[in-house]
Amino acid sequence: DAKTTQPNSMESNEEEPVHLPCNHSTISGTDYIHWYRQLPSQGPEYVIHGLTSNVNNRMASLAIAEDRKSSTLILHRATLRDAAVYYCILKVGYQFYFGTGTSLTVIP
Amino acid sequence: DVKVTQSSRYLVKRTGEKVFLECVQDMDHENMFWYRQDPGLGLRLIYFSYDVKMKEKGDIPEGYSVSREKKERFSLILESASTNQTSMYLCASSLRTVWSTDTQYFGPGTRLTVL
Repeated sequence: DAKTTQPNSMESNEEEPVHLPCNHSTISGTDYIHWYRQLPSQGPEYVIHGLTSNVNNRMASLAIAEDRKSSTLILHRATLRDAAVYYCILKVGYQFYFGTGTSLTVIP
Repeated sequence: DVKVTQSSRYLVKRTGEKVFLECVQDMDHENMFWYRQDPGLGLRLIYFSYDVKMKEKGDIPEGYSVSREKKERFSLILESASTNQTSMYLCASSLRTVWSTDTQYFGPGTRLTVL
């Protein structure tokens, strides 16, 4: 069974914020939530991670629900270069459990 | 910058052939991983290695083996390739820390077609 579930696809207008949701209802107390993205013809690349608190970095923000059963990746101003597949991942020990990803389309 | 390289971007093999996929990282990382990526299934872990000569099975190890003789190199071996092993194969590495917030660094992938 998948540890994370995400919508298959989402669209956003350029320069608008994007909220990418993820459910991870079976998360345990020590499991980290990671987000990676995969641009066309490339391997996945790190975006952000968190455990319990909301996190910000130069690429994005991560909002984690109080019960940790869901999280949301926030891109503050989508650009055309943000068009990618975004993966929500649970890190359990050494292992990363990838979801099937959300394909983000950015409309000019 | 961490660099993870894979020996081929595209590979075509015949059923029954022995196939070697090579991965090299240049940042002295202790952990290395092999995934396969298929439409609708995301990335699934085949094997990982946390040290030279050490390996652990992932979620889908059947039909695969691995070799890690040097820290920087991790090889995935298909002993007898089959058509259901046609897929994108991704290698990754990460710095080893216990209970870490490790970041995985991925190579560009090898698209393997088995005819």
